[in-house]
Order: sequence, then C-alpha cells, then structure tokens
Amino acid sequence: DAGVIQSPRHEVTEMGQEVTLRCKPISGHNSLFWYRQTMMRGLELLIYFNNNVPIDDSGMPEDRFSAKMPNASFSTLKIQPSEPRDSAVYFCASSLGPGAEAFFGQGTRLTVV
Amino acid sequence: KNEVEQSPQNLTAQEGEFITINCSYSVGISALHWLQQHPGGGIVSLFMLSSGKKKHGRLIATINIQEKHSSLHITASHPRDSAVYICAVGTLGGTSYGKLTFGQGTILTVHP
Repeated sequence: DAGVIQSPRHEVTEMGQEVTLRCKPISGHNSLFWYRQTMMRGLELLIYFNNNVPIDDSGMPEDRFSAKMPNASFSTLKIQPSEPRDSAVYFCASSLGPGAEAFFGQGTRLTVV
Repeated sequence: KNEVEQSPQNLTAQEGEFITINCSYSVGISALHWLQQHPGGGIVSLFMLSSGKKKHGRLIATINIQEKHSSLHITASHPRDSAVYICAVGTLGGTSYGKLTFGQGTILTVHP
C-alpha cells in the first residue's frame, strides 16, 4: 500500500478563497483523522471519522471548517473562507481503529496570504 | 497545565551518546505513541505502547502506567536521528476513545 496520500502537498491561496484538502487513507483502515500543526500550538486534532461517520469534531476551530468522508477511501477538509491564521500544515492519518496505531500522510502546507 | 508534557524541549548530543526523552501525562489513556518528524515534515509512528517496554533497533520506549510517564531512549545516537520527537496519548473511553493529544515535541540535534 502507498500509505496515506494527501493532496496537494503545498497550497498558497488568497484570503477569502475556498481551500479543499484531500486525503486517501490506507485501504482497510476504518478510522481517519485530520490534524493541524502550527508553531504556536503544535499538533491538534481537528476531527476524526470512524467507518466514514464523524465521531469527534470538537477540534474544528469554527464554522469556516468542514470535513466530509463520502466513502472509505476519500476524505476532504474544506476551509471557506480562508484566513491568514489558517496557515499551517494539515495532516491526515488513518488507522485500523480509533485506538490503533495511526499512519500519517505527508501533510499539506497551506499558506493563506 | 498541558495534558501531555515533554522534556527537554531541545536536546543536543554528540554522535554515539545515549539519549532520553521524557513524557508525562495527566489523563487516563488507551495507549501512548511516540512519533518522529523529520525536517521534511513527514510524521512516522515509532511506537505505540500501553505497558512495559518496546524495542526497535536502537530505539527503546518504556511506559509506567502508575506514574503516568514514558521515556524514549536512543542508543548510539547518529546525526540521522536528528528530528522532532513527539509524545501523544490516546484518550480512554467514550466517543473520544483513541483521540490523540500531543506533547509539544522535543527537538533533537545529533552532531557528528
């Protein structure tokens, strides 16, 4: 398996634009996690899905952020409208279950100018 | 106080030295993870443990559940070990079972 695949690797966008980050989990993994990493706050969980259902979205910062998992092999994290403070590296991870070892994607580095 | 505290925040060592990074946590956990993040940014899971000790090559991870403390040891350190090492704990129970809470990371630099 190629591991967790995220796209794009880098995204630069203007404030106010919509941004969509994509993730393909490892085949067979039932849990998918979206994390955000910044210098100030380190790694934070935004949301996680189990069997395509959102379980815990308490880390989603505000209504501008939304995440979907339409099927077991694809998830999106959308920011609309984007703001400069959203600039961060966004990681997707998947695991066999919520308590199992997580495998991380390479991350998407988002810069909002 | 953060739920997961790592020490030290920065660590510099000479090649060959034995290295220890510590992690203390204050919540009930399902498991503790040690992660490695290289300058390129990718995150790799090194260990997941809920008791005792695990060893992989030159890396050893231990956990003491009663004391809520874990250590990551690197024997015969090498410059390629230079990275950020992150401790993360999985939450115990409820809908947040397995949700990871992260320490702030330890920046390790190993000089030749």
